[in-house]
Amino acid sequence: QQQVKQSPQSLIVQKGGISIINCAYENTAFDYFPWYQQFPGKGPALLIAIRPDVSEKKEGRFTISFNKSAKQFSLHIMDSQPGDSATYFCAASWPIHNTDKLIFGTGTRLQVFP
Amino acid sequence: DGGITQSPKYLFRKEGQNVTLSCEQNLNHDAMYWYRQDPGQGLRLIYYSQIVNDFQKGDIAEGYSVSREKKESFPLTVTSAQKNPTAFYLCASSIGSGLGLNDEQFFGPGTRLTVL
Repeated sequence: QQQVKQSPQSLIVQKGGISIINCAYENTAFDYFPWYQQFPGKGPALLIAIRPDVSEKKEGRFTISFNKSAKQFSLHIMDSQPGDSATYFCAASWPIHNTDKLIFGTGTRLQVFP
Repeated sequence: DGGITQSPKYLFRKEGQNVTLSCEQNLNHDAMYWYRQDPGQGLRLIYYSQIVNDFQKGDIAEGYSVSREKKESFPLTVTSAQKNPTAFYLCASSIGSGLGLNDEQFFGPGTRLTVL
């Protein structure tokens, strides 16, 4: 129930293409869904996040689509660039004991080729 | 230059030895976290602390210990009881409003521990 399932494990996209990474969850108490981006040898950094009261959030080339009934959310990277090559993690959290605990997906390694 | 520092970047340890990983933040955050990252398994929470002198076990606390004597510091000790300690360890912090507002977690650059 506390898991967040992420797919695909790896993704290869040509420059200018659309990268799509999907996540699914079971716990309906989750109320915050961030995406983190991690470059090799570095710590993850928050990319974009959404709450379940909206179905889509866009920041530049990055969009989160959220389907509450299906308990799924996805990250879309438009016009993918070689600089987007990184590992992406979805995550989820819920308001328990006033903490900011996150449950992470297993990650997707994105490679964008010129 | 505000942020989270972790040291050392690489650490080698012989089997049976305890080792302590350092994590320091100057963001004035109340909450701090330790994660372990293994290939194909994402980030798993080891311990977290919402306030000085208090900390809670995460999902994989066995074989690890922490302390939180100062707001800016949250060291992690990997003990000899940890059966498979080779991994990438990440420290994070958040404002820790305590209001369930899902404050952003900021991560350090990580420490790669290898047990020889």
